[in-house]
Amino acid sequence: DTGVSQNPRHKITKRGQNVTFRCDPISEHNRLYWYRQTLGQGPEFLTYFQNEAQLEKSRLLSDRFSAERPKGSFSTLEIQRTEQGDSAMYLCASSMTSPSEQFFGPGTRLTVL
Amino acid sequence: AQKVTQAQTEISVVEKEDVTLDCVYETRDTTYYLFWYKQPPSGELVFLIRRNSFDEQNEISGRYSWNFQKSTSSFNFTITASQVVDSAVYFCALSEEGGGSQGNLIFGKGTKLSVKP
Repeated sequence: DTGVSQNPRHKITKRGQNVTFRCDPISEHNRLYWYRQTLGQGPEFLTYFQNEAQLEKSRLLSDRFSAERPKGSFSTLEIQRTEQGDSAMYLCASSMTSPSEQFFGPGTRLTVL
Repeated sequence: AQKVTQAQTEISVVEKEDVTLDCVYETRDTTYYLFWYKQPPSGELVFLIRRNSFDEQNEISGRYSWNFQKSTSSFNFTITASQVVDSAVYFCALSEEGGGSQGNLIFGKGTKLSVKP
């Protein structure tokens, strides 16, 4: 399968815990995006990488959120001290260049109890 | 400010009916791109089409067609002879390439389409 993959698919955690999600983009894609989607809403942009460089961050990305893309391959999104408001679907997408279409992974659904 | 509005929250049709999903966008850029994505119940967003701001030609792909009108800032999506498998949430999205934007997508809230047999 050569699509975007994300792990885990589901994560349930208690408030205050740290969580980390992983995204593996399509191999030849140098752009990688993270989005967050809550129920009944469209995805909202969080951050963007071109190769290993994080070039843009949304205001939605509070200090508790950090993302990395070492060596320009897979990416991780970490949320520290989770809050109930962090409950959402976290989507990863990759693209070859801009403005080509972005291909999305299946998402990681986070539930914070 | 950039914005995408999908005024129709939910639409329900009977199989074989035609249905049009509306999308209105706002942008100050002269160069921008419009997209439609489908999100079936399984949850994974599926790319349907990309259009750039310089190409107003309508496009048809099988039962799907898109009508891009810059004069009204609209990019509407029509499904002809709808089928049950078309049931999904459909998102319209905008991407700008100016002002330091890196091509991130700005999505509307989506239209949930239910096609009844």
